[in-house]
Amino acid sequence: NAGVTQTPKFQVLKTGQSMTLQCAQDMNHNSMYWYRQDPGMGLRLIYYSASEGTTDKGEVPNGYNVSRLNKREFSLRLESAAPSQTSVYFCASSEWSSGYEQYFGPGTRLTVT
Amino acid sequence: TQLLEQSPQFLSIQEGENLTVYCNSSSVFSSLQWYRQEPGEGPVLLVTVVTGGEVKKLKRLTFQFGDARKDSSLHITAAQTGDTGLYLCAGRENKAAGNKLTFGGGTRVLVKP
Repeated sequence: NAGVTQTPKFQVLKTGQSMTLQCAQDMNHNSMYWYRQDPGMGLRLIYYSASEGTTDKGEVPNGYNVSRLNKREFSLRLESAAPSQTSVYFCASSEWSSGYEQYFGPGTRLTVT
Repeated sequence: TQLLEQSPQFLSIQEGENLTVYCNSSSVFSSLQWYRQEPGEGPVLLVTVVTGGEVKKLKRLTFQFGDARKDSSLHITAAQTGDTGLYLCAGRENKAAGNKLTFGGGTRVLVKP
């Protein structure tokens, strides 16, 4: 049981480049989330998917898009990266039956130069 | 957006000392969770508190949910170096809002030997 996996672990982009962060979970959870973590700011929700086929904006969605590919996979796309998107990105999943505990992946450290 | 404020932002203590971390909001949460995050990893759930006034103990860690469900505290007794990490509180809004969590900014705890 791998839990939540994320790829890549590290990425350096130039301003204006695009990329997709991948996330997969093997716990059969309905809900999945993308967060960014910046120093001193905890975790801020970018987008979430309450169930397969639905996605909703979180607190900081500008500059990002998401795709809930199937129940297992939830990807985050940066269409035109900006230095302000330098951050650590975490994917998480949860299920109501486990008290909405969120299980997190190991994170992707992204630097935009 | 409901805000959660954590204090202090940083805490450095000697092994064996006690510490308390606070999580405060002006809004009511249906439940509140505490996570711990170690460098290079995603947060891991420590506890969920649901009822106003609830106290939960996890070995040397004591968690309390305020009577009005607007605040919470984490108390560590006789801290050990293994308690070093980033402690995050996260509140779940009303049940109609589903699975979304709002995270506090975190408290970084350093326990020195």
